Amino acid sequence: NAGVTQTPKFRVLKTGQSMTLLCAQDMNHEYMYWYRQDPGMGLRLIHYSVGEGTTAKGEVPDGYNVSRLKKQNFLLGLESAAPSQTSVYFCASSSAWGYTFGSGTRLTVV
Amino acid sequence: GENVEQHPSTLSVQEGDSAVIKCTYSDSASNYFPWYKQELGKRPQLIIDIRSNVGEKKDQRIAVTLNKTAKHFSLHITETQPEDSAVYFCAASIRYSTLTFGKGTMLLVSP
Repeated sequence: NAGVTQTPKFRVLKTGQSMTLLCAQDMNHEYMYWYRQDPGMGLRLIHYSVGEGTTAKGEVPDGYNVSRLKKQNFLLGLESAAPSQTSVYFCASSSAWGYTFGSGTRLTVV
Repeated sequence: GENVEQHPSTLSVQEGDSAVIKCTYSDSASNYFPWYKQELGKRPQLIIDIRSNVGEKKDQRIAVTLNKTAKHFSLHITETQPEDSAVYFCAASIRYSTLTFGKGTMLLVSP
């Protein structure tokens, strides 16, 4: 039982490049989330999903897109990376029993 | 939307002392309040949570209190130990939906 798995764990991008972060959960959770964490800012919600085929914007959605084609997967895309998107990205899923976080992806945009 | 304020941003205590971290929230509909501990380079780990139908919850050296009228909740750590040093986050949500986090408190426990 892996819980929430994020790939990749580290990535360096050049400005303007694109990439997709993958989040996979094996707990059959309906709700999934993408957060970014910056020093002194806590975790801020980028996008979330309340079920397969649904997505919604969070607090800081600009520059990101998401998809939830399968219940167990939640993808976060950066179409044209900017240095301001340098951050640590956490995926999470939840049920009535609580939240489970992935181990994070450290992304650097140069 | 929900707004969560957390204080202090840093807290230094001596080993064995108590530590208190306070949070306020803005949305009276919030009913779930977890606290997370995050060590450097690691994911947030749930240490305790409280639901709105409860005023206080305790788990060994950790306790959380909730005042719904004033819309604030606090984390209390007693008999602090050096391994308690980490960043602590409070959060609030409505029925296990999106979490809104405070900005964190860096707790330093000196031996």
